[in-house]
Amino acid sequence: DTAVSQTPKYLVTQMGNDKSIKCEQNLGHDTMYWYKQDSKKFLKIMFSYNNKELIINETVPNRFSPKSPDKAHLNLHINSLELGDSAVYFCASSQAPGLAVWTDTQYFGPGTRLTVL
Amino acid sequence: KNEVEQSPQNLTAQEGEFITINCSYSVGISALHWLQQHPGGGIVSLFMLSSGKKKHGRLIATINIQEKHSSLHITASHPRDSAVYICAVRVRRGADGLTFGKGTHLIIQP
Repeated sequence: DTAVSQTPKYLVTQMGNDKSIKCEQNLGHDTMYWYKQDSKKFLKIMFSYNNKELIINETVPNRFSPKSPDKAHLNLHINSLELGDSAVYFCASSQAPGLAVWTDTQYFGPGTRLTVL
Repeated sequence: KNEVEQSPQNLTAQEGEFITINCSYSVGISALHWLQQHPGGGIVSLFMLSSGKKKHGRLIATINIQEKHSSLHITASHPRDSAVYICAVRVRRGADGLTFGKGTHLIIQP
């Protein structure tokens, strides 16, 4: 019954490795997002994606790439992990498409705590 | 300077007190969100506002578009309200998700 799910919940890995975090929503939403919460608990958008458009926050390194096999999934791939990538990553979804003028409610996944050693 | 500023950063109050958390933003927006992050880390959407006022149980959220300001009120506060409350805006200029404030850490003591 979970609306937005993420796996894994915890991920501990070494620097330089490549890892993926999976996200699935069963709400039938059009748009999905990845957010990063840093050690100071500050949330920041990384990507928003619907079936028409991927929007990338310009501050996100190109080592991060979202992959969407279908509308219900948006996975996050991270290459060559660095210490600074340690954070909690939240997936979210909303009903409205990713256009400039609309309002929506966002549903968040439980988060994935990534620790890079 | 962050586009979304919240105050206070930390707030400790006694059970039963009326709580107010403020949010100011400096950009044009299409919507403002209030989110709650539980001590366990989960994030829940409380309100989405584009104008006026919304009420849900003991929670009330207001927004003044002209003044670029929103408030979240909690009436008859309870220890279970202890959480981080986050203000976030959908910036009208782009379609790239929410822009967040730094959160208000609320502790309600019995």
